[in-house]
Amino acid sequence: GAVVSQHPSWVICKSGTSVKIECRSLDFQATTMFWYRQFPKQSLMLMATSNEGSKATYEQGVEKDKFLINHASLTLSTLTVTSAHPEDSSFYICSANHPTGSYEQYFGPGTRLTVT
Amino acid sequence: EDQVTQSPEALRLQEGESSSLNCSYTVSGLRGLFWYRQDPGKGPEFLFTLYSAGEEKEKERLKATLTKKESFLHITAPKPEDSATYLCAVQATDAGNMLTFGGGTRLMVKP
Repeated sequence: GAVVSQHPSWVICKSGTSVKIECRSLDFQATTMFWYRQFPKQSLMLMATSNEGSKATYEQGVEKDKFLINHASLTLSTLTVTSAHPEDSSFYICSANHPTGSYEQYFGPGTRLTVT
Repeated sequence: EDQVTQSPEALRLQEGESSSLNCSYTVSGLRGLFWYRQDPGKGPEFLFTLYSAGEEKEKERLKATLTKKESFLHITAPKPEDSATYLCAVQATDAGNMLTFGGGTRLMVKP
């Protein structure tokens, strides 16, 4: 149990375009999901907390108008990178808390974004 | 502010050479400490949760321990397939579900 998937696994886009990344909990419902960003050889940085049916909570320094998060259902959260630039190239990972009452977060496989 | 520091940053071991990874933490109130394994280009894989000092958990060649200031991940007789980055994270009682991650330890096990 507690499987989280992401789509796509990698994407290349041109500067100025927008890209949507999907995060799904496959075998459980997740009222809260998290979006992280990871640069090469660095640890995970929390970008935002996505709450089903309400607005996301963004970490300090993360532009909410650039990184749009939508949590439309209990199994799906999306991250849209708007007007992407090369500096947005990174590894984006989502996670969700298992609903059993434990506090573990289960992570998706990640999405590699390259902006040319 | 919650802080997590992992050491060493990188560790090279020969197959069968046991060692330990350290995770030092500062947190207002600890709800849980988590260990993850991350392979290159993949998301972190959950390993252990520790909730209170003195707690220990084991899985195959891995054993995690916890004190009030730090956690250790002991690797006994490692194999090349144990090569990965090991991440430690803490969750504070006043931080909702947010995890604070350490920088990770890159483990390389040579045959």
